[in-house]
Amino acid sequence: EADIYQTPRYLVIGTGKKITLECSQTMGHDKMYWYQQDPGMELHLIHYSYGVNSTEKGDLSSESTVSRIRTEHFPLTLESARPSHTSQYLCASSVRGSRGGELFFGEGSRLTVL
Amino acid sequence: GQNIDQPTEMTATEGAIVQINCTYQTSGFNGLFWYQQHAGEAPTFLSYNVLDGLEEKGRFSSFLSRSKGYSYLLLKELQMKDSASYLCAVFYNQGGKLIFGQGTELSVKP
Repeated sequence: EADIYQTPRYLVIGTGKKITLECSQTMGHDKMYWYQQDPGMELHLIHYSYGVNSTEKGDLSSESTVSRIRTEHFPLTLESARPSHTSQYLCASSVRGSRGGELFFGEGSRLTVL
Repeated sequence: GQNIDQPTEMTATEGAIVQINCTYQTSGFNGLFWYQQHAGEAPTFLSYNVLDGLEEKGRFSSFLSRSKGYSYLLLKELQMKDSASYLCAVFYNQGGKLIFGQGTELSVKP
């Protein structure tokens, strides 16, 4: 059973607010990811990390930032939220190596910006 | 980019067999993964192929041909609960990242 947790599950905020979506995993996985997914649409990789102090941008341009100070924690921050940021954000983790594509996902954070 | 193509939607009958195809760009390929995603939920891992051939896992099997950049997911003895989106995802060497296709929405009808 996957042990990866995201908070908040649901968030409704006004334009211009700063928000942080939290993601924590207890599996000791080196690699962590943030994907963005609109309803019925594909997952887009926005950030990933190989380990502590490593962060990379994904394929989808995003105004969010991430940090990886501890292995188990990979928060995503939006400095100034806009309605275009309304989406579901999925955090995932995996081991290194050839099975690094076997991702364990959190339940997601559904963000609505008014 | 890494073009991953799969049909947008498919319909099948309960108890039948369905095959979902996926093609991808082969450069930098390092493994192919299939995921299932029910509406409103996160994806869950189904299967993994890194070498050519068929991998069987209960009612689900996945096939890979690396030279053709082609994979398929085979679902047997379909059940209503198999109605979901099936995502083909490719693990690429460059950056060690997993890229998802747009998913195939499978509807299983009685």
